[in-house]
Amino acid sequence: EADIYQTPRYLVIGTGKKITLECSQTMGHDKMYWYQQDPGMELHLIHYSYGVNSTEKGDLSSESTVSRIRTEHFPLTLESARPSHTSQYLCASSDLTGGTGTEAFFGQGTRLTVV
Amino acid sequence: AQKITQTQPGMFVQEKEAVTLDCTYDTSDQSYGLFWYKQPSSGEMIFLIYQGSYDEQNATEGRYSLNFQKARKSANLVISASQLGDSAMYFCAILNNDMRFGAGTRLTVKP
Repeated sequence: EADIYQTPRYLVIGTGKKITLECSQTMGHDKMYWYQQDPGMELHLIHYSYGVNSTEKGDLSSESTVSRIRTEHFPLTLESARPSHTSQYLCASSDLTGGTGTEAFFGQGTRLTVV
Repeated sequence: AQKITQTQPGMFVQEKEAVTLDCTYDTSDQSYGLFWYKQPSSGEMIFLIYQGSYDEQNATEGRYSLNFQKARKSANLVISASQLGDSAMYFCAILNNDMRFGAGTRLTVKP
């Protein structure tokens, strides 16, 4: 069973509010990722991290920020929520090297609705 | 940049039959990993199978097997003996520096 947790599971918030989606893992994984996914659609990479103090931008990073102060914690912040941010946000983590027998684990997701 | 392509938006299969879901990828890296995930309507991502770029044998996990053809850069998922519970979205992904997903294939198993 994956030890990666996202909170909250569901969030309804007003336009213009600042929100932080939490993601924590207890597996000691170096790599962590954030994705945005509309129902039944593909996953879009927002941000990722190689480890502590490392953050990289994905394809949809312009309206959000992340931090990686601790290995286990990778929060995502939307500075000013908009209705277009309504979506599911998925956090994942993996071992550092992709070619040597690893697995990427996903959290349960946060379903965000901006009204 | 890495890229994953899934060309089948939807697939149908008869219960108990086998089905192949296609996945091709593009990367200039030598070391990478390929994944398949299942996503039911509940939205959770369920890991199915993994293939490392250096693995010489095709990965298998129960009813799932990965047909890995490195020279053709393809990593097709084969599901044998389909069950009604297999109806879901299936995503192929490539992991190296980042992890990228394909657009997904919606599989429907008919009774």
